[in-house]
Amino acid sequence: DARVTQTPRHKVTEMGQEVTMRCQPILGHNTVFWYRQTMMQGLELLAYFRNRAPLDDSGMPKDRFSAEMPDATLATLKIQPSEPRDSAVYFCASGIGGEKTQYFGPGTRLLVL
Amino acid sequence: SQQGEEDPQALSIQEGENATMNCSYKTSINNLQWYRQNSGRGLVHLILIRSNEREKHSGRLRVTLDTSKKSSSLLITASRAADTASYFCATDTSGNTPLVFGKGTRLSVIA
Repeated sequence: DARVTQTPRHKVTEMGQEVTMRCQPILGHNTVFWYRQTMMQGLELLAYFRNRAPLDDSGMPKDRFSAEMPDATLATLKIQPSEPRDSAVYFCASGIGGEKTQYFGPGTRLLVL
Repeated sequence: SQQGEEDPQALSIQEGENATMNCSYKTSINNLQWYRQNSGRGLVHLILIRSNEREKHSGRLRVTLDTSKKSSSLLITASRAADTASYFCATDTSGNTPLVFGKGTRLSVIA
């Protein structure tokens, strides 16, 4: 059945390194979301796209985070340089239609040392 | 700002009991959705209730919506250990704004 896929599932890196997370939305879905989840802050919306165009990235630290959709089957979230406070689980979700139901990927668990 | 707030933050019950979680929100909505998140997994959509609906059922799930009180409840009947998860409400307000998720209720069902 159709699923959102995310790679990598786990990433351990050192402070200052670049991190790239990838997401393949469900085929035919026109909206893609990036979330960050931590115990302290819960689920935070970082950015989202509709028809590959960025609609809102106000939840993202602009100086180090960037999100793109090179094509309809790939969304990327980059952190450069990474910091220990970026350690979290990053989720991608996709959706379609007016009722805005979202379908989440399994997440990328990031640990920055 | 948080639109939906779940209550309680955590709930522990025995298998076979019913579990009730509540969600309150602040502004008018088009619909309200409930999601489940198992440990280490992504959120999974459970059920959607539209603003003109008062109650909806799906299997062992029952959702109610009271727009006058700006609140919703999720009832899981005859709970099972496999229902152990976090449950989130999410509200759809208007236009291009995406769903706004609450902080969730952590449910533990003890066998």
